[in-house]
Amino acid sequence: QSALTQPPSASGSPGQSVTISCTGVSSDVGSYNGVSWYQQLPGKAPKLIISDVNQRPSGVPDRFSGSKSGNTASLTVSGLQAEDEADYYCTSHGDIKGVLLGGGTKLTVL
Amino acid sequence: QVQLVQSGAEVQKPGASVRLSCKASGYTFTSYHIHWLRQAPGQGLEWMGMVNPSPGTTFSAQNFRAHVTLSRDTSTTTVYMELRSLRPEDTAMYYCAKDHNIGSWTESFDIWGPGTMVTVSS
Repeated sequence: QSALTQPPSASGSPGQSVTISCTGVSSDVGSYNGVSWYQQLPGKAPKLIISDVNQRPSGVPDRFSGSKSGNTASLTVSGLQAEDEADYYCTSHGDIKGVLLGGGTKLTVL
Repeated sequence: QVQLVQSGAEVQKPGASVRLSCKASGYTFTSYHIHWLRQAPGQGLEWMGMVNPSPGTTFSAQNFRAHVTLSRDTSTTTVYMELRSLRPEDTAMYYCAKDHNIGSWTESFDIWGPGTMVTVSS
């Protein structure tokens, strides 16, 4: 059982926007600005796409954006492209528990 | 360039131990935590623990504390993870990943190794 809750799947058509949620509790997601998102393509290592709730590392398209409200963080992918089809994971600073992970969301581009 | 190079695939029998390595290069090794995560076939990621290369302190997730030993060698800029008393459910891809923050640890990993596949089977 993952510490953070993500929907197992999400989908959208090319050009649409999709939002993936990541829900924790007040002592983790709700307490820290430490939430990151990763994209994992089939057979590859995960890639950091959002850090510190809403910061995009260099080279990540601005179609990817992050936000947080209360105990829930969100990843939005705008202008969906076929290459965005992947698994997406969130992480949160868990203080004395270390790093907390979501169970992952499989994004399908229809 | 900044990279993490991991050791090769392993096949082990139940009850055995395995030691995986992760060699860092292209940055100041002692300034960034290294994390270990694993992913069983078809499953999600699991965070196992982390190493602070200086001063060499480690922290493991509760589920792994009795099962895992983390260490590092600053002379070779290599981090190690030993997994003991292997069980079939330890079959997974094991990743090391560099923390993006200098000094203190975070939940953000900016560089990942390619992974080491460990298969536990009799």
